[in-house]
Amino acid sequence: GIQVEQSPPDLILQEGANSTLRCNFSDSVNNLQWFHQNPWGQLINLFYIPSGTKQNGRLSATTVATERYSLLYISSSQTTDSGVYFCAVGQETSGSRLTFGEGTQLTVNP
Amino acid sequence: NAGVMQNPRHLVRRRGQEVRLRCSPMKGHSHVYWYRQLPEEGLKFMVYLQKENIIDESGMPKERFSAEFPKEGPSILRIQQVVRGDSAAYFCASSRTGSGAFFGQGTRLTVV
Repeated sequence: GIQVEQSPPDLILQEGANSTLRCNFSDSVNNLQWFHQNPWGQLINLFYIPSGTKQNGRLSATTVATERYSLLYISSSQTTDSGVYFCAVGQETSGSRLTFGEGTQLTVNP
Repeated sequence: NAGVMQNPRHLVRRRGQEVRLRCSPMKGHSHVYWYRQLPEEGLKFMVYLQKENIIDESGMPKERFSAEFPKEGPSILRIQQVVRGDSAAYFCASSRTGSGAFFGQGTRLTVV
């Protein structure tokens, strides 16, 4: 099956810093999503981005499908950004199910 | 528009008991998925259903686990004779064709 690798596995920032999270995948996809799992365990949709670039406030994401990677940018980080960021991909051959990466654990210190 | 609704949020059961986890998809969504998250791990796909049909159950354990999405009512994930290794967070997601998936808040199962 498809492999999804996220980097870095852990990231510690001071409030106000910027960061880039990466997601590499091993095969072509027709669905890519970024999620934030907050410290209470909730999974929050950030982006549905199988290709191209999107922005939402301090967050933006870019997927280069032909090169099989996606990037999530967090600018001016806040303590509420702490949690785990997951990249998940879907392929037509396996229906609409998502394969998740292992996540990036982000800690933003005040 | 309410999100994906799961209940219960937390569940504690003794080994050998049965559990039923419920999931109501978002309005207009006909695809339902169940995922399991073990402590400190990512989410793993279990099963994909549409109304009255199991589309893909390749991630479901072969024994004790079953899922349904009836014509009326929520989707149900059933685990029979639970063991300690079943302790995990179980997430339901829903989507419509061509869109991303939206997740519920999960059910945290603890088997004692």
